[in-house]
Amino acid sequence: AQKVTQAQTEISVVEKEDVTLDCVYETRDTTYYLFWYKQPPSGELVFLIRRNSFDEQNEISGRYSWNFQKSTSSFNFTITASQVVDSAVYFCALSSMDSNYQLIWGAGTKLIIKP
Amino acid sequence: DSGVTQTPKHLITATGQRVTLRCSPRSGDLSVYWYQQSLDQGLQFLIQYYNGEERAKGNILERFSAQQFPDLHSELNLSSLELGDSALYFCASSLRGLGNTEAFFGQGTRLTVV
Repeated sequence: AQKVTQAQTEISVVEKEDVTLDCVYETRDTTYYLFWYKQPPSGELVFLIRRNSFDEQNEISGRYSWNFQKSTSSFNFTITASQVVDSAVYFCALSSMDSNYQLIWGAGTKLIIKP
Repeated sequence: DSGVTQTPKHLITATGQRVTLRCSPRSGDLSVYWYQQSLDQGLQFLIQYYNGEERAKGNILERFSAQQFPDLHSELNLSSLELGDSALYFCASSLRGLGNTEAFFGQGTRLTVV
């Protein structure tokens, strides 16, 4: 069965600190896709990144970076020099043939950035 | 702006009533998905349409139904509403299925059943 675990329910840091959000996934498929979405207080879901299982290269986009490690089934998300605008709930998700390519969501991590 | 439009943004209705939520996908996207987000259940996949045809079903109640029209917009119909149906309902669209494309979400419809 497929599963996505975001063990950190809530993280609170002071602005400018670096913060890492953990995501651990389970799947029997060898081909799968991993996603991160951001849900700010306004409520919409914003797509951040998609990564397929054959591409283990880490990705950096500005202050955001993602570390994909198949050996530990993890796809962690780091925000460097956090800002108050980064405050949101962040969701990790997985899709593969086993889920009929529907998104299996983690429970989300609420990130609070204090000024 | 994701390019996915959902209306209405807010809806308050009474138990037993029926409502229709509307979604216009991004230009060119053929797949539409409906999700429900509630405090106790998190994000739940309801149903997917691809180019007018039902592609996949998730945890959608029998009281709920959806369709995708020839112009690719979609509607989610919720009937015999119960208090527990209060939630944020999202529509998302993608070019194809979610094998190797990402879904873009609308701003959601917040449904409150009183």
